[in-house]
Amino acid sequence: QQQVKQSPQSLIVQKGGISIINCAYENTAFDYFPWYQQFPGKGPALLIAIRPDVSEKKEGRFTISFNKSAKQFSLHIMDSQPGDSATYFCAASRDYKLSFGAGTTVTVRA
Amino acid sequence: DAGITQSPRHKVTETGTPVTLRCHQTENHRYMYWYRQDPGHGLRLIHYSYGVKDTDKGEVSDGYSVSRSKTEDFLLTLESATSSQTSVYFCAISADSSNEKLFFGSGTQLSVL
Repeated sequence: QQQVKQSPQSLIVQKGGISIINCAYENTAFDYFPWYQQFPGKGPALLIAIRPDVSEKKEGRFTISFNKSAKQFSLHIMDSQPGDSATYFCAASRDYKLSFGAGTTVTVRA
Repeated sequence: DAGITQSPRHKVTETGTPVTLRCHQTENHRYMYWYRQDPGHGLRLIHYSYGVKDTDKGEVSDGYSVSRSKTEDFLLTLESATSSQTSVYFCAISADSSNEKLFFGSGTQLSVL
């Protein structure tokens, strides 16, 4: 049973557009919410992360929005570039163990 | 990939045979993890280690065992491989228990026929 539900499964966006990936969780004990980016043939790499006491975190073109009351968080990729084409995983941590979402494959068309 | 080497990178084996995957790190990190990645499931934790000879189960540990005799090496063993264990296996390391900086290896593609 997946503790973190991620959607959509895949998305296609034009270069310069905005990609939005959503995640939802039930367990309010989660206290750390990272996003990982994975390119084909590689392991996932930490992209950006947020704690539940913050509603938004921005790093370059990547922004996490966090809604604690709704138990939802999302990743926004602004000005999407072909190099952003990858699979993105949200995750949630409690007791120092990560639970991952199922992943979203993002394709950025030039 | 942050000083993590997984071997082999690819393996094909038959049902019922034992298989051992190796993770070697050069970062001297205390925590090491084994995950499996399957379509529709993301990454799921199999086992983890919080020090030499100290290991614990993750959420999908059935059919797997691990050993860590040295800080740098973490072995994952499938005692009797089954087709349901066909997957991509990732090793990850972390300097502390917080999971805030988890570094992954490049993975091992395992096919059990």
